[in-house]
Amino acid sequence: GIQVEQSPPDLILQEGANSTLRCNFSDSVNNLQWFHQNPWGQLINLFYIPSGTKQNGRLSATTVATERYSLLYISSSQTTDSGVYFCAAQAAPLVFGKGTRLSVIA
Amino acid sequence: GAGVSQTPSNKVTEKGKYVELRCDPISGHTALYWYRQSLGQGPEFLIYFQGTGAADDSGLPNDRFFAVRPEGSVSTLKIQRTERGDSAVYLCASSLNGRGSEQYFGPGTRLTVT
Repeated sequence: GIQVEQSPPDLILQEGANSTLRCNFSDSVNNLQWFHQNPWGQLINLFYIPSGTKQNGRLSATTVATERYSLLYISSSQTTDSGVYFCAAQAAPLVFGKGTRLSVIA
Repeated sequence: GAGVSQTPSNKVTEKGKYVELRCDPISGHTALYWYRQSLGQGPEFLIYFQGTGAADDSGLPNDRFFAVRPEGSVSTLKIQRTERGDSAVYLCASSLNGRGSEQYFGPGTRLTVT
């Protein structure tokens, strides 16, 4: 089945800094989603982005399907951005990466 | 509108007992998915329903796990003869259409088998 790898596994940022999270996937996909899992475990949809670029406030994402990767950009990070960010790719079942644990410190 | 809901939010059961976990998808969503998330890991796929039928149950770990969606809306995940290794958060998601469309997740049921 499809493999999904995320990097870095852990990231510590000073409040206000920018960051880029990467997701590599091993095969063609018809769905690529980014999620933020909050401290209570709820998966919050950030982007549905099988290809192209989208922006939502301080967050933006780009998926280059032909090269099998996606990037999530966080600008001007805030402490509320802390949590685990998951990329999930779907060819058949939705396959999640192991996540990037982000800690933003004031 | 209302999102995906799951009940109960927490379930503690003894080894060997039977449990049922419920998922109410977003109204109008034809596809429903069950996942399981262990501590420190990403969610792992269990089963996918399109309408009333299980279109893909390749993620169910063994025959102690079973799920139904008799009317194409609410789904129940059933676990027989629970084992301590079944302890995890069980997540449900739904999407408007089948595979390829955006999935929305419920808050999960935390199952603890003692």
